[in-house]
Order: sequence, then structure tokens, then C-alpha cells
Amino acid sequence: AQSVTQPDIHITVSEGASLELRCNYSYGATPYLFWYVQSPGQGLQLLLKYFSGDTLVQGIKGFEAEFKRSQSSFNLRKPSVHWSDAAEYFCAVGFSGGYNKLIFGAGTRLAVHP
Amino acid sequence: DAGVIQSPRHEVTEMGQEVTLRCKPISGHDYLFWYRQTMMRGLELLIYFNNNVPIDDSGMPEDRFSAKMPNASFSTLKIQPSEPRDSAVYFCASRGLGGVDGYTFGSGTRLTVV
Repeated sequence: AQSVTQPDIHITVSEGASLELRCNYSYGATPYLFWYVQSPGQGLQLLLKYFSGDTLVQGIKGFEAEFKRSQSSFNLRKPSVHWSDAAEYFCAVGFSGGYNKLIFGAGTRLAVHP
Repeated sequence: DAGVIQSPRHEVTEMGQEVTLRCKPISGHDYLFWYRQTMMRGLELLIYFNNNVPIDDSGMPEDRFSAKMPNASFSTLKIQPSEPRDSAVYFCASRGLGGVDGYTFGSGTRLTVV
């Protein structure tokens, strides 16, 4: 069955430290891949997406993600975290020749220590 | 563009009452999605429309839930009668054909059924 897994429910990092949030999917072909961020009381904002081509994609707010087909992963990274990055991050995957049905991971809540 | 607009932002209602949530998608977007977010179940797709036609409502939890899209600029999600377990944040999202920018989410409606 198609699924999306975010193994880390909570992550805490210090401001200025690097960050990597993990996302794995289960699917027989290359899916469409997204990362969204949700601040408290807000909707979801698209950070970046991967459809095809270069497997390292750049997004907004200094984030990047790398698609690794061999590992069925699409991990989100940021070299230096800012206090304003504290939020919940969702990996989302679209399957089956399109993404009319995005499936979201359970989310990773990021806390940033000063 | 004003983005996806949802109303109301907050709704508190008594069990058994009818609740109607509203959504205005981005002009020109021809797909509209309703999601529900809870702590226990995360983000769940309830239903989505293409060109105002419901395509997949397999995520609608019960017959108490119904959704309509009478025109390209308006959709409603109705719960009748409401129950405490319907308490959640309900998100509307839209995207255009091809959807290279992913989904755009509204700010959500926080529903509390007491």
C-alpha cells in the first residue's frame, strides 16, 4: 500500500545548528514529493517540491531537500536553523500518475532552542 | 491574489446542530480539496472536486458529512448533525491544472462541538 512515514515526531535543535527531517515513502514508482510547513494556527505553506530532474531541490526560507530513489526518501535540510523555523513540517506524496490525492505524513514538530 | 479563503476561522457549536464550513478557492484553480486535521489522525483527505464535480469522496467519514461546489469560486462542507468527535481543524486547498505549484491551503476552520 502507498504510505508516507516521518519517523521523528519531535525534534529539538539549537538556533544556528543544522537540521534534517526525514521522510520515507512506499510506492513502486517515482512519486511527486512535497514538503509543507505549518505554523501554529495557520494553514500549510509549500516549502518545496520534486517532480523530476535534479534530485536536490531548493525551496523557500533556505530549505532544501534531496530525493534518493534507492532509499525511497525525500529528506528536508537546512544548514542553519533560525528561531522562526519552529513549526510543524509535513512531507506529502502524490501517487499514481498525478497528485490528485496527496497523502501526508504524520508531521515532525520542530522546536528551536536559543 | 488573496489565496484560499475559509470561513469562519472558528466555530463552536452544540452537539446535534448543523455546521457549514465555507471555502473560496484561488481564481483559476480547478481542483478543490477538503482536509481534516486532528491530533490522532493527522491530515485526512475528505473529498476533492475537479471543475466543480466531486471526484472522490471516499474519505468522507459518514453520511452526516456532505460537500458541494455550486460554482468555481465557492464550496461548502456541511455536517448535520454534528458530534463532539467532529471537532477538528478543517482545511480547504486548491490547485490549478498541472499543479506545478502544489496545493495552496486556506487558514482552516477550527470546529469545536460541545
